[in-house]
Amino acid sequence: GAVVSQHPSWVICKSGTSVKIECRSLDFQATTMFWYRQFPKQSLMLMATSNEGSKATYEQGVEKDKFLINHASLTLSTLTVTSAHPEDSSFYICSALSGAGGYTFGSGTRLTVV
Amino acid sequence: QQQVKQSPQSLIVQKGGISIINCAYENTAFDYFPWYQQFPGKGPALLIAIRPDVSEKKEGRFTISFNKSAKQFSLHIMDSQPGDSATYFCAASASGTYKYIFGTGTRLKVLA
Repeated sequence: GAVVSQHPSWVICKSGTSVKIECRSLDFQATTMFWYRQFPKQSLMLMATSNEGSKATYEQGVEKDKFLINHASLTLSTLTVTSAHPEDSSFYICSALSGAGGYTFGSGTRLTVV
Repeated sequence: QQQVKQSPQSLIVQKGGISIINCAYENTAFDYFPWYQQFPGKGPALLIAIRPDVSEKKEGRFTISFNKSAKQFSLHIMDSQPGDSATYFCAASASGTYKYIFGTGTRLKVLA
């Protein structure tokens, strides 16, 4: 079945630095990928839709300059949290639209900003 | 109108019992309703999904019941097991958007 690999699974960074999270579709091509943010014991909040070869579409209230998304190939999308601050600490999850029209989620990245 | 309301927020069930989680929606354009299971520190995994043209779908111990007129759908977990303890999310999407609207989640604990 469709597999999405997300890396790293957890990361700790200092306030003010940038962190890049990778999302790869391993056995299928994903023209569309999605980035979610999840706070503890809460639901998934869609941050942006990433389309291969074009600019990402951000949801209302999401700072595009803070959360940089690049989808340079059909199997890789990256999310860069720039100038991270403690309030950016969260669980970030990507998902990819597989050919059957369903989503496959990555295993998530726990970001802690200290 | 874009919301999907999910209940209960948490649920405790004895081993072997039936776990029932309910979701309701307002947007009649929604036509795909998946359920996801999420373990701590992991991404959600698709359990089962249904489209409005059927009222029920069963896969193993998991059943979705769908009531189009009431705009409600529910997940039933039969013979619940401790390994089913996880957070369950319902979701809804409309054709052509590929954007999922997630429910708020239900934390299920199955007692051994």
